[in-house]
Amino acid sequence: DSGVTQTPKHLITATGQRVTLRCSPRSGDLSVYWYQQSLDQGLQFLIQYYNGEERAKGNILERFSAQQFPDLHSELNLSSLELGDSALYFCASSVHRRGLYEQFFGPGTRLTVL
Amino acid sequence: AQSVTQLGSHVSVSEGALVLLRCNYSSSVPPYLFWYVQYPNQGLQLLLKYTSAATLVKGINGFEAEFKKSETSFHLTKPSAHMSDAAEYFCAVTAMNTGFQKLVFGTGTRLLVSP
Repeated sequence: DSGVTQTPKHLITATGQRVTLRCSPRSGDLSVYWYQQSLDQGLQFLIQYYNGEERAKGNILERFSAQQFPDLHSELNLSSLELGDSALYFCASSVHRRGLYEQFFGPGTRLTVL
Repeated sequence: AQSVTQLGSHVSVSEGALVLLRCNYSSSVPPYLFWYVQYPNQGLQLLLKYTSAATLVKGINGFEAEFKKSETSFHLTKPSAHMSDAAEYFCAVTAMNTGFQKLVFGTGTRLLVSP
């Protein structure tokens, strides 16, 4: 158990819908990272927040957005969902803002878009 | 920009045999390199990392990796495979020119261990 929690574990929805994925980092960790893992794209970095502020952006679509709240939990919002958004979404946390420090991964949320 | 290439999407070994998972990196500046493991239905877990100190890095569960600048490689090895090593392994890179902000992962290698 990494100490990072993600809810829900599974999510099934339809195209065009909007969903919110939630992540609670390890106690004391200020950085939260979001990743998407799919069969065709592999594991891709989406976005990082550090202590409430966006720090880095990766291959995140404009239909996707994220935020980190004062209690440090984070939410990833996916809208206008398409079939290709079906993937495993991971959240990771780290004590530091720099990616060279160990990131602790949550168990992931499996999103299925029908 | 940095990238990593993992040779072989699947590697099969027998229990007790040497494990060798290959990773080659591309980076215009000195890289920091990582190996993560993903067990079925779980998130990723850090095995080891290279951050410009010793070139031979020892990690958890008996794994080690050697940074070879001349070969731009960071291969993962374990002398003797256990059944419990069956998992997917990811090599990743970050570097100072991105402010170490993001990890770039390889496509992963699935390790199969047979009795």
